[in-house]
Amino acid sequence: AQTVTQSQPEMSVQEAETVTLSCTYDTSESDYYLFWYKQPPSRQMILVIRQEAYKQQNATENRFSVNFQKAAKSFSLKISDSQLGDAAMYFCAYRSADVTNAGKSTFGDGTTLTVKP
Amino acid sequence: NAGVMQNPRHLVRRRGQEARLRCSPMKGHSHVYWYRQLPEEGLKFMVYLQKENIIDESGMPKERFSAEFPKEGPSILRIQQVVRGDSAAYFCASSRPESSYEQYFGPGTRLTVT
Repeated sequence: AQTVTQSQPEMSVQEAETVTLSCTYDTSESDYYLFWYKQPPSRQMILVIRQEAYKQQNATENRFSVNFQKAAKSFSLKISDSQLGDAAMYFCAYRSADVTNAGKSTFGDGTTLTVKP
Repeated sequence: NAGVMQNPRHLVRRRGQEARLRCSPMKGHSHVYWYRQLPEEGLKFMVYLQKENIIDESGMPKERFSAEFPKEGPSILRIQQVVRGDSAAYFCASSRPESSYEQYFGPGTRLTVT
């Protein structure tokens, strides 16, 4: 079974600074997807960024980028130029590409990010 | 293009009552997934359904919980004889058949059992 670990229950960052959220995972599969989701107080799950395991290039979405280290099974999220609106709970998630396990996502327990003005 | 819709957004039930949570997937999506989020935890997979078919229910508790996705109408997650431990946020996600990795989440239903 896959597991996802977020070792930082809470992080804080000064507005306009950069912060990195950590995520490690364990799997025996070679093909899968990794995601970062943002959950603000409204509790809506918002997709921040997605990485396909077969791609070596790290995904980037505006101020959000990942450092994907497949061999180390590490998938960290970097937020640049942090804004007050980035304050939320962030979840790392794993999803198999295997059709027999397709659909089932495994989430970490989350990191609460505080942005200080 | 409406997103995934869930209702009710908030549901209060007394212990022993039944809870019915509804999920309408995005247009063009025929796959639905249910997740549960306990306080201070991440989402936990419960069940994966296609129209009229349960694909994977490995995350569903063996008793009191059931899910369906009929040919017509929304997907329903049903919890019978609710207990305090069922209090949680229940999220539904949907996807196209060819891209189950690309799931879109609804706003969730917060169930409180008193």
